[in-house]
Amino acid sequence: DGGITQSPKYLFRKEGQNVTLSCEQNLNHDAMYWYRQDPGQGLRLIYYSQIVNDFQKGDIAEGYSVSREKKESFPLTVTSAQKNPTAFYLCASSIMGPMNTGELFFGEGSRLTVL
Amino acid sequence: DAKTTQPPSMDCAEGRAANLPCNHSTISGNEYVYWYRQIHSQGPQYIIHGLKNNETNEMASLIITEDRKSSTLILPHATLRDTAVYYCIVRSYTGGGNKLTFGTGTQLKVEL
Repeated sequence: DGGITQSPKYLFRKEGQNVTLSCEQNLNHDAMYWYRQDPGQGLRLIYYSQIVNDFQKGDIAEGYSVSREKKESFPLTVTSAQKNPTAFYLCASSIMGPMNTGELFFGEGSRLTVL
Repeated sequence: DAKTTQPPSMDCAEGRAANLPCNHSTISGNEYVYWYRQIHSQGPQYIIHGLKNNETNEMASLIITEDRKSSTLILPHATLRDTAVYYCIVRSYTGGGNKLTFGTGTQLKVEL
């Protein structure tokens, strides 16, 4: 089935360690996004990418890095510079161009806990 | 993109219609209204969207007022599985992909 796969679902790390969250999609979507969600809060955009080898900062990019070497993949690295990395991370994708209805397709999320 | 206002929580009896309101008084002419929902600890799910006409699909109906300053999402026969946070979002189709801004939404609790 087509969809977005995020891994791992749960991740525990010690403070000061970098961690990379995986996001893979087989929907042939051009655009991919990373959001962060804190308890009781809405989603905040970290980074997004509309095309391979290009990406833009969202509202809260500090302390995060991304790459887009392949259309299907958009990994997110949470670096030690991120002050409060414990959160629920959501990856999404969408089509671009004239067929775009504005819809985002989300993965099931990765819950990162920094001890 | 225009800001939206939703009640923080609502309750609904199972089998009854759930009517979730959203105010977007600063919406501009080219902005669409989107609804998503998020079941606890899962990714948000698209429900429906519209510009000015009422819309219906297999999940819900979207009623947009004539002045477009508010809308209502209707789940016609709510079930326990509809318990979720519902997000109302407005945005225009511009370059930059679908960078939707999710507020805190409405927590809908469907009860027996």
